[in-house]
Amino acid sequence: KNEVEQSPQNLTAQEGEFITINCSYSVGISALHWLQQHPGGGIVSLFMLSSGKKKHGRLIATINIQEKHSSLHITASHPRDSAVYICAVAVTSGSRLTFGEGTQLTVNP
Amino acid sequence: EAGVAQSPRYKIIEKRQSVAFWCNPISGHATLYWYQQILGQGPKLLIQFQNNGVVDDSQLPKDRFSAERLKGVDSTLKIQPAKLEDSAVYLCASSPLPRGGEQYFGPGTRLTVT
Repeated sequence: KNEVEQSPQNLTAQEGEFITINCSYSVGISALHWLQQHPGGGIVSLFMLSSGKKKHGRLIATINIQEKHSSLHITASHPRDSAVYICAVAVTSGSRLTFGEGTQLTVNP
Repeated sequence: EAGVAQSPRYKIIEKRQSVAFWCNPISGHATLYWYQQILGQGPKLLIQFQNNGVVDDSQLPKDRFSAERLKGVDSTLKIQPAKLEDSAVYLCASSPLPRGGEQYFGPGTRLTVT
């Protein structure tokens, strides 16, 4: 079992829909990261959070430390949101990031 | 602020050949990471540097992979000799903090080994 599990693996939505991507982890963490990866490989950091909720534009990230679970929400989705979204955790005992396998999001016009 | 720079962006080599990748982190970032991302998987840490010292290289296949960061700034990752299973995107990231901080990723180098 992977230390970081994401669901769903693939997600297809229509433009305008509300999207949720989930991340569960099994280790103690100091922080959780949500990353976005477009075709071509480059990764952009969306959020780093250790508690509560963060919002940036149409993106919202939440984390529940007790339940070891985080969600990434996209409101009013747009085709340009199509990308792979990756959850990664920084384990408490060190600085290494452990990554989930990513969620491929496709938003159709 | 300039981001993390990597070169080359793409490389195709035959198995048993050697290859080197270069990374220039964001100015002032003491921590530098090399990741390997095989298609369909999340990135896997190969090596972490703090300035010019190695913090974590437990997942680096040391029989064929090597990395250095001699002056604590830019870094090179080498594969010698390459195998088919080394085909992947190699990502470099840097962070201003030694642990747990936000990481800034470069565009990656896509390696194809034939």
